[in-house]
Amino acid sequence: SAVISQKPSRDICQRGTSLTIQCQVDSQVTMMFWYRQQPGQSLTLIATANQGSEATYESGFVIDKFPISRPNLTFSTLTVSNMSPEDSSIYLCSVDGIQETQYFGPGTRLLVL
Amino acid sequence: DQQVKQNSPSLSVQEGRISILNCDYTNSMFDYFLWYKKYPAEGPTFLISISSIKDKNEDGRFTVFLNKSAKHLSLHIVPSQPGDSAVYFCAASDQLRKLIFGTGTRLQVFP
Repeated sequence: SAVISQKPSRDICQRGTSLTIQCQVDSQVTMMFWYRQQPGQSLTLIATANQGSEATYESGFVIDKFPISRPNLTFSTLTVSNMSPEDSSIYLCSVDGIQETQYFGPGTRLLVL
Repeated sequence: DQQVKQNSPSLSVQEGRISILNCDYTNSMFDYFLWYKKYPAEGPTFLISISSIKDKNEDGRFTVFLNKSAKHLSLHIVPSQPGDSAVYFCAASDQLRKLIFGTGTRLQVFP
């Protein structure tokens, strides 16, 4: 399985500001995914990020709010823009593995005040 | 509408006994099912998976059963150990390789 790291591991931000979360994987992967887990909720897919193309967003998520970059096969960033307290969540990146498996990073805990 | 459901938010089992975690889904187009374990402050860890063409997959103490006609899958852990205490998520994959997660079941294994 891939080793995935995320930065920052946690942050406390003021509303109206933006935060960029980095995801680094130790091997080249085709597909990277960004998920959100709101307090007490399940994991929800935000978008799929493939290198060399625009990210594909799920219903309810838009590029202006969650811009994503995928400059190469080992790295991706997710920006949470113009934050509000409702954005307080754990943000997780994952990468595709064997068959349908995905491997997850440790997550970024975000608190918006 | 929740496409993947875990109707038991929590489960408490004695060490050494069997833990059975259940999951139901609604979309017959799902072709792969996975179970993840999540500890606090960590990302989900992949446990075991099953293709829709199978009805059982076993890996050590973990066995997943799939009943396609009932759109139901279950994870059996035997024997249960205190280190198994965590939140367990089932997930379903569609042809686009997107994972749809259930709401999770918190398993507590007590001595």
